[in-house]
Amino acid sequence: QKEVEQDPGPLSVPEGAIVSLNCTYSNSAFQYFMWYRQYSRKGPELLMYTYSSGNKEDGRFTAQVDKSSKYISLFIRDSQPSDSATYLCAMSEYNFNKFYFGSGTKLNVKP
Amino acid sequence: EAQVTQNPRYLITVTGKKLTVTCSQNMNHEYMSWYRQDPGLGLRQIYYSMNVEVTDKGDVPEGYKVSRKEKRNFPLILESPSPNQTSLYFCASRWEETQYFGPGTRLLVL
Repeated sequence: QKEVEQDPGPLSVPEGAIVSLNCTYSNSAFQYFMWYRQYSRKGPELLMYTYSSGNKEDGRFTAQVDKSSKYISLFIRDSQPSDSATYLCAMSEYNFNKFYFGSGTKLNVKP
Repeated sequence: EAQVTQNPRYLITVTGKKLTVTCSQNMNHEYMSWYRQDPGLGLRQIYYSMNVEVTDKGDVPEGYKVSRKEKRNFPLILESPSPNQTSLYFCASRWEETQYFGPGTRLLVL
């Protein structure tokens, strides 16, 4: 069983829709939860980061962590065509040395 | 400009021919790491380095070597590449919770 599971999609939505991206994990030692965005032919870039359980909001993006269910989510409000990319969840234990990534969900926002 | 650079960006080689992919960062970060990205498998960590002369294995270290002799450089060495190492490779450096990724090196081993 992989440490981090993520639905690969692809996910296609109309502009303005609310997008929900999710990951599940099996390692209860994970303390840090991250979402990366990767445009085609580019390296991933950090979008959001949360520590432990709870919600974190940044503009149109909300990251949610439920440690009891080992489930994390990223919500994108008012999605834009520029949000079209692959979204990767990532997790780490307390020391930030080893990172475990999901396989990525490809999102396409249609104008 | 703060950045992570990798060279080469594209490489085609044959089985068993030693190769090195270079990685350099200009942000004075202590932590650097190498990943490979394969369809359906996502990013998998190969090796990481917490500082000069300090390296450790990630999830998939077999067939790879690294060295960290200077803070800014973290080369990835494939001493005897095999076709199953055909992949997209990313180098990253980290400051606090943020990893900064390079542009990637696409490797094809025939």
